[in-house]
Amino acid sequence: AQSVTQLGSHVSVSEGALVLLRCNYSSSVPPYLFWYVQYPNQGLQLLLKYTSAATLVKGINGFEAEFKKSETSFHLTKPSAHMSDAAEYFCAVRTNDYKLSFGAGTTVTVRA
Amino acid sequence: DGGITQSPKYLFRKEGQNVTLSCEQNLNHDAMYWYRQDPGQGLRLIYYSQIVNDFQKGDIAEGYSVSREKKESFPLTVTSAQKNPTAFYLCASSTQAGTSFVDEQFFGPGTRLTVL
Repeated sequence: AQSVTQLGSHVSVSEGALVLLRCNYSSSVPPYLFWYVQYPNQGLQLLLKYTSAATLVKGINGFEAEFKKSETSFHLTKPSAHMSDAAEYFCAVRTNDYKLSFGAGTTVTVRA
Repeated sequence: DGGITQSPKYLFRKEGQNVTLSCEQNLNHDAMYWYRQDPGQGLRLIYYSQIVNDFQKGDIAEGYSVSREKKESFPLTVTSAQKNPTAFYLCASSTQAGTSFVDEQFFGPGTRLTVL
């Protein structure tokens, strides 16, 4: 069965610093992977998705993620954090029966 | 504008009452989903529907019920059998489950249910 694990439930970064959110997946078949962002009391918004077309995926708001099969990882990065990046981020993998399995989430706080 | 609407935004329930959460989409999506979100646990799937008049249980269906009489609507009822219903509930939709096309799920704004 496909699943994802997000390493670190909370990440704190300074404004302008690198944002790195870690996601490792488990899948017996080539995975389809997603990163979503959730602002307080709102729904989830898709940041980017990996569909095997390219290992480096660029998303919205300056985020990107790199698929590394050898490390079974799909980490999310942004070179320079902005105050508006404070939110909760979820990694997800599509399962064999076409549903999504989500990680537990990582909350990002940005220090001025 | 196309999207997913959920109502109400906040809902309060007394113990022993059933309540129904509304989810409507005008994206012409075939598949719809209900998730429950609790702090530190991510999203857990309650029910999903791939087509009108058909739905399947997710990972935590006990104490919940759904219907899918129209393509655009997928209401969720939280019954009195759900022992701990206080949570944030999210509805989502996608173009079609069960295809090779990798479509993402689109989410509504959520309903926060509190049991008094």
